Amino acid sequence: DTGVSQDPRHKITKRGQNVTFRCDPISEHNRLYWYRQTLGQGPEFLTYFQNEAQLEKSRLLSDRFSAERPKGSFSTLEIQRTEQGDSAMYLCASSVGRGQGAPETQYFGPGTRLLVL
Amino acid sequence: AQSVTQPDIHITVSEGASLELRCNYSYGATPYLFWYVQSPGQGLQLLLKYFSGDTLVQGIKGFEAEFKRSQSSFNLRKPSVHWSDAAEYFCAVGALAAGNKLTFGGGTRVLVKP
Repeated sequence: DTGVSQDPRHKITKRGQNVTFRCDPISEHNRLYWYRQTLGQGPEFLTYFQNEAQLEKSRLLSDRFSAERPKGSFSTLEIQRTEQGDSAMYLCASSVGRGQGAPETQYFGPGTRLLVL
Repeated sequence: AQSVTQPDIHITVSEGASLELRCNYSYGATPYLFWYVQSPGQGLQLLLKYFSGDTLVQGIKGFEAEFKRSQSSFNLRKPSVHWSDAAEYFCAVGALAAGNKLTFGGGTRVLVKP
């Protein structure tokens, strides 16, 4: 069990550029979550997948954001036409979802810190 | 919708002293609750969780938390703080009716004085 990994750990980009982040969950975890954390705040939910299906998206996730989990394993989060307000830590978490009515524990990766200049 | 409040933004404690971090939640059904710790520039590490049963839960690094339904609280405690406990602590509530996504409080930053 190697834990959740994220790549890159840091990304500096210029406003208007596109960026893509990758998350590799704990193997056999069927659920994968993305959160965003701005400085001095707690993480906020963005979206989550069960296997390859994207089941929920937050209204924080504007049209410039897209997430995929094509084979139900790793996931990517892309931000198009970045803005300075996108500067944040992007956190990925994974869990074993056991169906409705069963709570679960999310395990977080180290995050990708994005700075938009 | 659920919400979490951590009333203390910063807490300073002397090494060896006890620590208590407050967490209040709002949720219409039975919540399940977590405490995570975050060191600077790092991700979140799970300290402990409450799903059901015994309302006093033990976690890693000597931490414990008590769920009090009547007070909608889930406070975190440690009897004797070590310098390595300096970090930011987040309380979170999960909701089965909300796709299991977590709602976090704003965090409490703990500083440890030698």
